Amino acid sequence: DAKTTQPNSMESNEEEPVHLPCNHSTISGTDYIHWYRQLPSQGPEYVIHGLTSNVNNRMASLAIAEDRKSSTLILHRATLRDAAVYYCILASNTGKLIFGQGTTLQVKP
Amino acid sequence: GAVVSQHPSWVICKSGTSVKIECRSLDFQATTMFWYRQFPKQSLMLMATSNEGSKATYEQGVEKDKFLINHASLTLSTLTVTSAHPEDSSFYICSARDFGRAANEQFFGPGTRLTVL
Repeated sequence: DAKTTQPNSMESNEEEPVHLPCNHSTISGTDYIHWYRQLPSQGPEYVIHGLTSNVNNRMASLAIAEDRKSSTLILHRATLRDAAVYYCILASNTGKLIFGQGTTLQVKP
Repeated sequence: GAVVSQHPSWVICKSGTSVKIECRSLDFQATTMFWYRQFPKQSLMLMATSNEGSKATYEQGVEKDKFLINHASLTLSTLTVTSAHPEDSSFYICSARDFGRAANEQFFGPGTRLTVL
């Protein structure tokens, strides 16, 4: 399973945009890029996913590099409720999600 | 989004007893469910892939005789921790894949906190 690399932690101010980077240099052509987030003592929550093109939904935007070796999750206006661990995961067609250590996002009021 | 439930949300048991955890997809059919384990301050570790009507596929290092998985219907998978010991205390999380939706999108349950005394 292809691996992803994320910074251990990031900080943001409330109501400011946040860019969470992810490197996945060994991504294969059929791997989807998924982002999930997890609050303490809860199951992960789906955020967004993409294959090649940038994606937008009500929660976030996903910017995928042209060579697909990196991607960035963008939270347009961080709120205190966005404080969580964010996981960038490559998903093959088997459906298996292999979680890395993720990025712990702190949002300061 | 789709809803996945787990029962119980927490359980405390004595060492040597068996504990069953249920995972249900409430509003969609899930031919595939996944079971994860998470220790404090660590990431989720995939334990096994549960396929409806067939045997589960376990990840390397996960004892299939200790963690029994049954996926008898399209909406229910169960994980039984047999002869539980304190080292099995963990946060167990299931997820379900909705093949009717976008590729590979998974929905996670809220987790079950197991404490073995």
